[in-house]
Amino acid sequence: DAKTTQPTSMDCAEGRAANLPCNHSTISGNEYVYWYRQIHSQGPQYIIHGLKNNETNEMASLIITEDRKSSTLILPHATLRDTAVYYCIVRNTDKLIFGTGTRLQVFP
Amino acid sequence: GAGVSQSPSNKVTEKGKDVELRCDPISGHTALYWYRQRLGQGLEFLIYFQGNSAPDKSGLPSDRFSAERTGESVSTLTIQRTQQEDSAVYLCASSLVGAGGSNQPQHFGDGTRLSIL
Repeated sequence: DAKTTQPTSMDCAEGRAANLPCNHSTISGNEYVYWYRQIHSQGPQYIIHGLKNNETNEMASLIITEDRKSSTLILPHATLRDTAVYYCIVRNTDKLIFGTGTRLQVFP
Repeated sequence: GAGVSQSPSNKVTEKGKDVELRCDPISGHTALYWYRQRLGQGLEFLIYFQGNSAPDKSGLPSDRFSAERTGESVSTLTIQRTQQEDSAVYLCASSLVGAGGSNQPQHFGDGTRLSIL
C-alpha cells in the first residue's frame, strides 16, 4: 500500500470548516483513499472513501486531486466532538495500514 | 443496526496466563480482521478471515497468537503464555466484500484493553 503523509496536528474553531490534507504521491491506479478517525478510548470510525471522484456523505467531503497524489478531508462545520486523530489510508489490499494521523483539536 | 461487538472490554491477567478475546461482527459481514494497538501507537494488522478461505495470518507476531472463526460469525483471538509486551488494545473489524475487496469499508469495535501484570 502507498504511504501517506499528514500533518501531525491541526486546530480548528468550532463551527468552522476543518480541512485535513493528505499526500499520497505514490498512489497507484487501483488504490482507494480512506479516512478514519479515532476518538480517545474508542475504535477507529470509518468516515469516507473514494477512488477518483470527490465524495460526500453525512459526515464529511473528500476532495481528491486530478492526479490523485493528494486529498483533503473536509468537515464542514466542526464541533467539539470532532476532536480526534484522523487517519488517511491508501488501500488496495484487504488490510488497512494506519500511519500516525493528524490530531485535530476543535476549540470553542 | 448493531455494530461490531467485542468482549471483554477490559482484561487484566498475570504474565504466563492464556487469554481469549471475542469478536461478534456485523451480521452479514463475511470479512473479519484483528488488529492490535499499543499505547500511543497506530494499529498493527494481525489476521484476516474471509468466508471459507484460509485466513491471512501474516500479521501474527508469534506462535503464541492464534485466532479462529466459526463460519461467518464469531471470532476468538487467543494469546497463550502472555507476556507484558502483549499489553495493548485488541481491535476487531468486519466488512462486506465487494469486487476487488478494497472498496468496502471496515467497521471497528471498541476493542479489548488487555493488561498483563
